[in-house]
Amino acid sequence: DGGITQSPKYLFRKEGQNVTLSCEQNLNHDAMYWYRQDPGQGLRLIYYSQIVNDFQKGDIAEGYSVSREKKESFPLTVTSAQKNPTAFYLCASSAKNRGSGEKLFFGSGTQLSVL
Amino acid sequence: GENVEQHPSTLSVQEGDSAVIKCTYSDSASNYFPWYKQELGKRPQLIIDIRSNVGEKKDQRIAVTLNKTAKHFSLHITETQPEDSAVYFCAAIANTGGFKTIFGAGTRLFVKA
Repeated sequence: DGGITQSPKYLFRKEGQNVTLSCEQNLNHDAMYWYRQDPGQGLRLIYYSQIVNDFQKGDIAEGYSVSREKKESFPLTVTSAQKNPTAFYLCASSAKNRGSGEKLFFGSGTQLSVL
Repeated sequence: GENVEQHPSTLSVQEGDSAVIKCTYSDSASNYFPWYKQELGKRPQLIIDIRSNVGEKKDQRIAVTLNKTAKHFSLHITETQPEDSAVYFCAAIANTGGFKTIFGAGTRLFVKA
């Protein structure tokens, strides 16, 4: 699967519930990203991390939280504060060095739906 | 803020015809422009990219052109095949201490056999 694995493939959330999406990579990439994909709106950046124990908000961070305790892992929590969480969530990673660091490698995605 | 506009949102062509997708970016510091292809139910994958010091790049049936002055870049697919049917995303990146990719909204390409 190209070295970056997302799980689960499908996830259902009940109202008021927090859910966590997993993203693991074995590409030794420094940077990791979370994108949200809605029909007709392309890919919007939620959070990104360029190094362990550090992360920055993207364009639509409200209602989401992340952690980066290990280089390989960048889990995303969709909190109850996110009122419209139904979407396809894509995790990506990239190397840090110029010349290849701009290229994103994507996971296979998680489809989150609200019950 | 930074923005990438992509047109058209949907494109339908006959097999063997050419397809052109156009993008415009707003951040003049952008210096890297990748194109990703996402087949139905699959992850986006990089198909071609171009840097700001190059005006055109070609890889078999696909090519990308860049006009830095106008802040336009385009994807050209020649001799389209049914397996080219997918959603295509353009993107722009500025190296401002990190790599933040700004994506266009995507173009859904249908190639009719």
